[in-house]
Amino acid sequence: DAKTTQPTSMDCAEGRAANLPCNHSTISGNEYVYWYRQIHSQGPQYIIHGLKNNETNEMASLIITEDRKSSTLILPHATLRDTAVYYCIAARGTASKLTFGTGTRLQVTL
Amino acid sequence: GAVVSQHPSWVICKSGTSVKIECRSLDFQATTMFWYRQFPKQSLMLMATSNEGSKATYEQGVEKDKFLINHASLTLSTLTVTSAHPEDSSFYICSARPTGGGEQFFGPGTRLTVL
Repeated sequence: DAKTTQPTSMDCAEGRAANLPCNHSTISGNEYVYWYRQIHSQGPQYIIHGLKNNETNEMASLIITEDRKSSTLILPHATLRDTAVYYCIAARGTASKLTFGTGTRLQVTL
Repeated sequence: GAVVSQHPSWVICKSGTSVKIECRSLDFQATTMFWYRQFPKQSLMLMATSNEGSKATYEQGVEKDKFLINHASLTLSTLTVTSAHPEDSSFYICSARPTGGGEQFFGPGTRLTVL
């Protein structure tokens, strides 16, 4: 699976959009981009995934660049409950095991 | 959404004893389940892939005789930490992938403390 690179930490004001970048420059054509988050002392929570088209669900939007070398997870209106570690993972579909990197620690503040 | 439970949520045991952790998919069947371990301030590390009715596949460096995995049904996988030592103290998390496909769903984790 391709390695992903994320900033170690980010801050975001409550109510503002949180944009979390992820670099996956060596991603292969059959690898999806998955995003999970982990709130302190809990199991990871699935957020969204995509292959090459932008995706949106009730939690977030995923923007993947045309060359697929990077992506951005967007939380449109961050709340304090969105404070968590966000993991970007490249994997070959749901049949693959997930390899977690260090993720981005998002701190949402008042 | 799909729910995965783990039991117990936390456990304290003495060094040398064995501890069993259960992972259940509550509203779906899961042919494949995964076991992860997470030390404080670190990321999740995959320990093994558990397949219903067959032997688990362990990641490099994980001792299969120490971490026994059983996946006897489509809704239950168990991880037994045998002869636990203080260095086995960690947060153990399982995930399950629905048999019909789709993303993995994670359990809430089990915090193991070995004295």
